[in-house]
Amino acid sequence: AQTVTQSQPEMSVQEAETVTLSCTYDTSESDYYLFWYKQPPSRQMILVIRQEAYKQQNATENRFSVNFQKAAKSFSLKISDSQLGDAAMYFCAYRRAPLDNAGNMLTFGGGTRLMVKP
Amino acid sequence: NAGVTQTPKFQVLKTGQSMTLQCAQDMNHEYMSWYRQDPGMGLRLIHYSVGAGITDQGEVPNGYNVSRSTTEDFPLRLLSAAPSQTSVYFCASSYNQGAEFDEQFFGPGTRLTVL
Repeated sequence: AQTVTQSQPEMSVQEAETVTLSCTYDTSESDYYLFWYKQPPSRQMILVIRQEAYKQQNATENRFSVNFQKAAKSFSLKISDSQLGDAAMYFCAYRRAPLDNAGNMLTFGGGTRLMVKP
Repeated sequence: NAGVTQTPKFQVLKTGQSMTLQCAQDMNHEYMSWYRQDPGMGLRLIHYSVGAGITDQGEVPNGYNVSRSTTEDFPLRLLSAAPSQTSVYFCASSYNQGAEFDEQFFGPGTRLTVL
C-alpha cells in the first residue's frame, strides 16, 4: 500500500518570504501522480499543483513550484513571495497511474498548517 | 454548474442514531468517493464508485454504507453512529475515463459530531 508522510505539522513564514513544505511517499509503482492541495479555513479542497512521475521537469504554477526527487521519493512544495491568503492546511497526495478498477483514489498525507505572518 | 454539493454542512447525532450524508454532482462524472478528515491524518478514503451500480470499499469502510443508483448521487449512510465517526466528511468526483490526468473536484464538506 502507498503511504504519504508530511513531517511538518506546522510551518510559519513571513509575508513576502519563501517557504518549503516537505512530503515523502512510499510506493512500488513506477508511474503515478503527486499533488499538493490547499485547504483554507473554508474547508474547500483546492488543487495547487500536480506532478507526473514520468516527467523529470519540476511543475510550476505561478508562485508555487515543486522539487520532485523520484529516487528519494520526495515531493516538496515551495511557495515564493508568500501572501496572507496562502495561510491554510496543505496536503500532499498520491495517485497511481494508469487508472484501473480502483478509479481515481487519492492517498493523502497528514497535512501541514502554514501560518503567514504580516 | 453547481459542481459537487453536500448536505448538510453540519450535523450532530447521538450514539446509535442513523443518518445519510448527501452528495450530488452535475458534471456527469463517473467516479465519486467519500473521504473522512481527522486531525493529523489527512483525508482517508471510505468508499468509492466508478459508475452507477458499482461501489467498493476504501481504506476505512467500517460503519458506513453507500449506493450509487444514479450518476449524479452518491449518498453515505451511517447505520449506527459512534463517537469515533466524529469527523469532517468530503465527497469528491472526477471523470475517471482513463485520461492521463483526471482532476478530482471536492465538495464543501460536512462536519459531523457524534455525542
